Amino acid sequence: GDSVTQMEGPVTLSEEAFLTINCTYTATGYPSLFWYVQYPGEGLQLLLKATKADDKGSNKGFEATYRKETTSFHLEKGSVQVSDSAVYFCACRNTGGFKTIFGAGTRLFVKA
Amino acid sequence: NAGVTQTPKFQVLKTGQSMTLQCAQDMNHNSMYWYRQDPGMGLRLIYYSASEGTTDKGEVPNGYNVSRLNKREFSLRLESAAPSQTSVYFCASSARRLGQDQETQYFGPGTRLLVL
Repeated sequence: GDSVTQMEGPVTLSEEAFLTINCTYTATGYPSLFWYVQYPGEGLQLLLKATKADDKGSNKGFEATYRKETTSFHLEKGSVQVSDSAVYFCACRNTGGFKTIFGAGTRLFVKA
Repeated sequence: NAGVTQTPKFQVLKTGQSMTLQCAQDMNHNSMYWYRQDPGMGLRLIYYSASEGTTDKGEVPNGYNVSRLNKREFSLRLESAAPSQTSVYFCASSARRLGQDQETQYFGPGTRLLVL
Protein backbone atom coordinates (compact mmCIF):
# COMPACT_ATOMS: atom_id res chain seq x y z
CA GLY A 1 0.00 0.00 0.00
CA ASP A 2 0.90 3.66 -0.17
CA SER A 3 3.27 4.96 2.50
CA VAL A 4 5.21 8.07 3.50
CA THR A 5 8.52 8.07 5.34
CA GLN A 6 9.99 11.22 6.83
CA MET A 7 13.03 11.87 8.93
CA GLU A 8 12.69 11.32 12.63
CA GLY A 9 12.92 14.26 14.95
CA PRO A 10 13.22 16.25 16.88
CA VAL A 11 15.25 18.64 14.78
CA THR A 12 16.78 21.50 16.77
CA LEU A 13 18.16 24.52 14.95
CA SER A 14 19.28 28.02 15.81
CA GLU A 15 17.39 30.96 14.36
CA GLU A 16 18.41 31.77 10.75
CA ALA A 17 19.77 28.24 10.16
CA PHE A 18 18.92 26.28 7.01
CA LEU A 19 16.22 23.62 7.35
CA THR A 20 15.78 20.37 5.45
CA ILE A 21 13.24 17.73 6.43
CA ASN A 22 13.43 14.65 4.22
CA CYS A 23 10.36 12.89 2.92
CA THR A 24 10.02 9.92 0.57
CA TYR A 25 6.85 8.20 -0.58
CA THR A 26 5.65 4.92 -2.03
CA ALA A 27 2.53 5.17 -4.16
CA THR A 28 1.09 3.87 -7.38
CA GLY A 29 0.32 6.27 -10.17
CA TYR A 30 0.85 9.99 -9.79
CA PRO A 31 -0.06 11.14 -6.31
CA SER A 32 -0.27 14.71 -5.08
CA LEU A 33 2.18 15.55 -2.31
CA PHE A 34 1.69 17.82 0.68
CA TRP A 35 3.39 19.32 3.68
CA TYR A 36 1.12 20.10 6.63
CA VAL A 37 2.23 21.97 9.77
CA GLN A 38 0.84 21.56 13.29
CA TYR A 39 1.49 24.32 15.83
CA PRO A 40 1.18 23.46 19.53
CA GLY A 41 -2.39 22.78 20.59
CA GLU A 42 -3.80 23.15 17.08
CA GLY A 43 -4.93 20.99 14.20
CA LEU A 44 -2.93 20.50 11.03
CA GLN A 45 -2.94 23.15 8.35
CA LEU A 46 -1.71 22.94 4.80
CA LEU A 47 1.72 24.48 4.29
CA LEU A 48 2.30 23.68 0.61
CA LYS A 49 1.55 21.10 -2.03
CA ALA A 50 2.60 19.89 -5.47
CA THR A 51 0.42 17.92 -7.84
CA LYS A 52 2.81 16.69 -10.54
CA ALA A 53 6.42 15.80 -11.13
CA ASP A 54 8.93 18.69 -10.99
CA ASP A 55 6.34 21.05 -9.48
CA LYS A 56 7.63 23.20 -6.64
CA GLY A 57 5.29 24.09 -3.82
CA SER A 58 6.14 27.16 -1.74
CA ASN A 59 4.66 29.16 1.11
CA LYS A 60 5.98 31.36 3.94
CA GLY A 61 9.58 30.83 2.81
CA PHE A 62 9.23 27.03 2.77
CA GLU A 63 9.53 25.08 -0.45
CA ALA A 64 9.53 21.50 -1.66
CA THR A 65 9.99 19.98 -5.12
CA TYR A 66 8.14 16.87 -6.35
CA ARG A 67 10.89 14.51 -7.51
CA LYS A 68 9.35 11.46 -9.17
CA GLU A 69 12.69 9.87 -10.04
CA THR A 70 13.66 9.71 -6.35
CA THR A 71 10.05 9.58 -5.00
CA SER A 72 10.90 12.46 -2.69
CA PHE A 73 9.38 15.74 -1.52
CA HIS A 74 11.91 17.27 0.87
CA LEU A 75 10.94 20.41 2.78
CA GLU A 76 13.44 23.29 2.88
CA LYS A 77 13.66 26.79 4.30
CA GLY A 78 16.67 29.05 3.99
CA SER A 79 16.40 30.84 7.34
CA VAL A 80 14.17 29.50 10.11
CA GLN A 81 12.54 31.59 12.81
CA VAL A 82 11.48 30.73 16.35
CA SER A 83 7.88 30.94 15.14
CA ASP A 84 8.54 28.00 12.78
CA SER A 85 8.74 25.65 15.78
CA ALA A 86 6.04 23.06 15.09
CA VAL A 87 5.49 19.50 13.87
CA TYR A 88 5.70 19.01 10.10
CA PHE A 89 3.88 16.20 8.30
CA CYS A 90 4.56 14.98 4.79
CA ALA A 91 1.56 13.39 3.04
CA CYS A 92 0.50 11.90 -0.27
CA ARG A 93 -2.83 11.29 -1.91
CA ASN A 94 -3.79 9.68 -5.18
CA THR A 95 -5.82 11.88 -7.50
CA GLY A 96 -9.52 11.36 -6.99
CA GLY A 97 -8.93 9.24 -3.92
CA PHE A 98 -10.29 9.97 -0.47
CA LYS A 99 -7.40 8.72 1.57
CA THR A 100 -4.42 10.91 2.42
CA ILE A 101 -1.44 9.01 3.81
CA PHE A 102 0.55 10.92 6.42
CA GLY A 103 4.10 10.47 7.59
CA ALA A 104 4.88 10.18 11.29
CA GLY A 105 5.71 13.88 11.65
CA THR A 106 8.96 15.70 12.41
CA ARG A 107 9.13 18.05 15.37
CA LEU A 108 11.18 21.20 14.78
CA PHE A 109 12.55 23.34 17.60
CA VAL A 110 14.11 26.69 16.69
CA LYS A 111 16.20 28.42 19.37
CA ALA A 112 16.63 32.18 19.55
CA ASN B 1 -16.49 31.56 9.73
CA ALA B 2 -15.30 29.09 12.35
CA GLY B 3 -13.97 26.42 9.94
CA VAL B 4 -13.95 22.99 11.60
CA THR B 5 -14.98 22.79 15.25
CA GLN B 6 -14.73 19.82 17.59
CA THR B 7 -16.15 19.08 21.02
CA PRO B 8 -15.07 18.28 23.63
CA LYS B 9 -11.46 19.47 23.73
CA PHE B 10 -10.49 16.95 26.38
CA GLN B 11 -12.15 13.87 27.87
CA VAL B 12 -11.26 11.21 30.40
CA LEU B 13 -13.14 7.90 30.23
CA LYS B 14 -13.01 4.65 32.15
CA THR B 15 -12.64 1.40 30.25
CA GLY B 16 -16.01 0.31 28.92
CA GLN B 17 -17.63 3.74 28.93
CA SER B 18 -19.07 5.19 25.76
CA MET B 19 -18.88 8.64 24.29
CA THR B 20 -19.46 10.61 21.10
CA LEU B 21 -17.02 13.11 19.64
CA GLN B 22 -18.72 15.88 17.73
CA CYS B 23 -17.45 17.66 14.62
CA ALA B 24 -19.00 20.42 12.54
CA GLN B 25 -17.80 22.46 9.57
CA ASP B 26 -19.26 25.65 8.14
CA MET B 27 -17.43 25.65 4.79
CA ASN B 28 -20.11 23.71 2.88
CA HIS B 29 -17.66 20.87 2.32
CA ASN B 30 -18.90 17.53 1.01
CA SER B 31 -16.25 15.26 2.51
CA MET B 32 -15.41 14.76 6.17
CA TYR B 33 -12.88 12.59 7.97
CA TRP B 34 -11.92 11.30 11.39
CA TYR B 35 -8.25 10.65 12.21
CA ARG B 36 -6.38 9.59 15.29
CA GLN B 37 -2.90 10.85 16.05
CA ASP B 38 -0.52 8.73 18.09
CA PRO B 39 3.14 9.47 18.90
CA GLY B 40 5.48 8.29 16.15
CA MET B 41 2.62 7.16 13.91
CA GLY B 42 1.36 10.30 12.26
CA LEU B 43 -2.34 10.48 11.48
CA ARG B 44 -4.35 7.37 10.72
CA LEU B 45 -7.75 7.51 9.07
CA ILE B 46 -10.56 5.96 11.12
CA TYR B 47 -13.61 6.67 8.95
CA TYR B 48 -14.54 9.08 6.24
CA SER B 49 -17.69 10.38 4.60
CA ALA B 50 -17.33 11.27 0.93
CA SER B 51 -20.70 12.99 0.91
CA GLU B 52 -23.80 13.38 3.03
CA GLY B 53 -25.41 10.02 3.57
CA THR B 54 -22.30 7.90 2.97
CA THR B 55 -19.58 6.63 5.29
CA ASP B 56 -16.64 4.30 4.70
CA LYS B 57 -13.99 2.62 6.79
CA GLY B 58 -10.48 3.93 6.85
CA GLU B 59 -7.30 2.33 8.09
CA VAL B 60 -8.25 1.73 11.74
CA PRO B 61 -12.07 1.52 12.10
CA ASN B 62 -12.34 -1.20 14.77
CA GLY B 63 -13.99 0.00 17.97
CA TYR B 64 -15.55 3.07 16.35
CA ASN B 65 -18.77 4.06 14.62
CA VAL B 66 -19.64 7.23 12.78
CA SER B 67 -22.72 9.17 11.76
CA ARG B 68 -22.93 11.81 9.06
CA LEU B 69 -25.87 13.63 10.59
CA ASN B 70 -26.14 16.21 7.82
CA LYS B 71 -23.75 18.02 5.51
CA ARG B 72 -22.23 19.99 8.40
CA GLU B 73 -21.84 17.37 11.09
CA PHE B 74 -19.88 14.12 11.38
CA SER B 75 -19.72 12.38 14.75
CA LEU B 76 -17.45 9.59 16.00
CA ARG B 77 -18.70 7.18 18.64
CA LEU B 78 -16.77 4.88 20.94
CA GLU B 79 -19.25 2.28 22.20
CA SER B 80 -16.96 0.65 24.77
CA ALA B 81 -13.74 2.59 25.28
CA ALA B 82 -10.43 0.77 25.68
CA PRO B 83 -7.04 2.11 26.84
CA SER B 84 -5.74 1.51 23.29
CA GLN B 85 -8.10 4.26 22.15
CA THR B 86 -6.22 6.88 24.18
CA SER B 87 -5.21 9.32 21.47
CA VAL B 88 -5.79 12.74 19.96
CA TYR B 89 -8.68 12.72 17.51
CA PHE B 90 -8.89 15.12 14.60
CA CYS B 91 -11.83 15.83 12.35
CA ALA B 92 -11.19 17.26 8.88
CA SER B 93 -13.19 18.29 5.85
CA SER B 94 -12.57 18.96 2.19
CA ALA B 95 -14.55 20.33 -0.73
CA ARG B 96 -15.60 18.58 -3.91
CA ARG B 97 -15.60 20.23 -7.28
CA LEU B 98 -16.27 18.84 -10.77
CA GLY B 99 -17.10 15.45 -9.31
CA GLN B 100 -13.69 15.08 -7.67
CA ASP B 101 -12.71 15.45 -4.08
CA GLN B 102 -10.45 18.44 -3.54
CA GLU B 103 -7.27 17.40 -1.91
CA THR B 104 -6.64 20.06 0.70
CA GLN B 105 -8.09 19.09 4.05
CA TYR B 106 -9.04 21.52 6.80
CA PHE B 107 -8.58 20.26 10.33
CA GLY B 108 -10.27 20.94 13.62
CA PRO B 109 -8.28 21.66 16.80
CA GLY B 110 -8.55 18.08 18.06
CA THR B 111 -10.00 16.17 21.01
CA ARG B 112 -7.58 14.68 23.50
CA LEU B 113 -9.00 11.43 24.90
CA LEU B 114 -7.61 9.49 27.82
CA VAL B 115 -9.05 6.04 28.59
CA LEU B 116 -8.13 4.67 32.00
